[in-house]
Amino acid sequence: QIQLVQSGPELKKPGESVKISCKASGYTFTDYAMHWVKQAPGKGLKWMGWINTYTGKPTYADDFKGRFVFSLEASASTANLQISNLKNEDTATYFCAREGDYGGPFDYWGQGVMVTVSS
Amino acid sequence: DVVLTQSPATLSVTPGERISLSCRASESVDTYLHWYQQKPNESPRLLIKYASQSISGIPSRFSGSGSGTDFTLSINGVELEDLSIYYCQQGNSLPRTFGGGTKLELK
Repeated sequence: QIQLVQSGPELKKPGESVKISCKASGYTFTDYAMHWVKQAPGKGLKWMGWINTYTGKPTYADDFKGRFVFSLEASASTANLQISNLKNEDTATYFCAREGDYGGPFDYWGQGVMVTVSS
Repeated sequence: DVVLTQSPATLSVTPGERISLSCRASESVDTYLHWYQQKPNESPRLLIKYASQSISGIPSRFSGSGSGTDFTLSINGVELEDLSIYYCQQGNSLPRTFGGGTKLELK
């Protein structure tokens, strides 16, 4: 069955970096785009951007340009999100989500990774 | 950017009633509009795709309608397990955007 399994929770200090992974299984990784979604505590869903898993090209939403990097380990069917120079407002749960077709729904989601930034 | 406005923000419901949730887009998204359910501490779950297409494994009491800028998610006979937050999301253009959500609570 199709699964997206993300890495575990993170506790970081302001200014540090974090790398979150999303390992896909049950389908051909390079056939589907991978998106990233942020959810701050008690808030709604915010789209961060996506990565073309075939070419490796990332696209970032405006609010996530600069400190955020999407990358792949295609041989391991894994997508990664790295956040540098962490700020308190980065405290959130980060989800990876597969887009079924271009423009289609996010049909499979990872379980989410809670990142807490606190001094 | 396409802004999705969901209403109401909160809806108090009685089990068994039929309800409708609204999602309005700031510009046409054709039928590239998808609905999700999210329960506390869980990932969102896809309920309806392309405005009105059903999803395998989702109860038949959930249905969607609309195109262009106005969309509706209906639940025909709300059950206690449906008390969640519901989000719409558009896939017509980048950036992808989500609505602010509608929370279903018990009356």
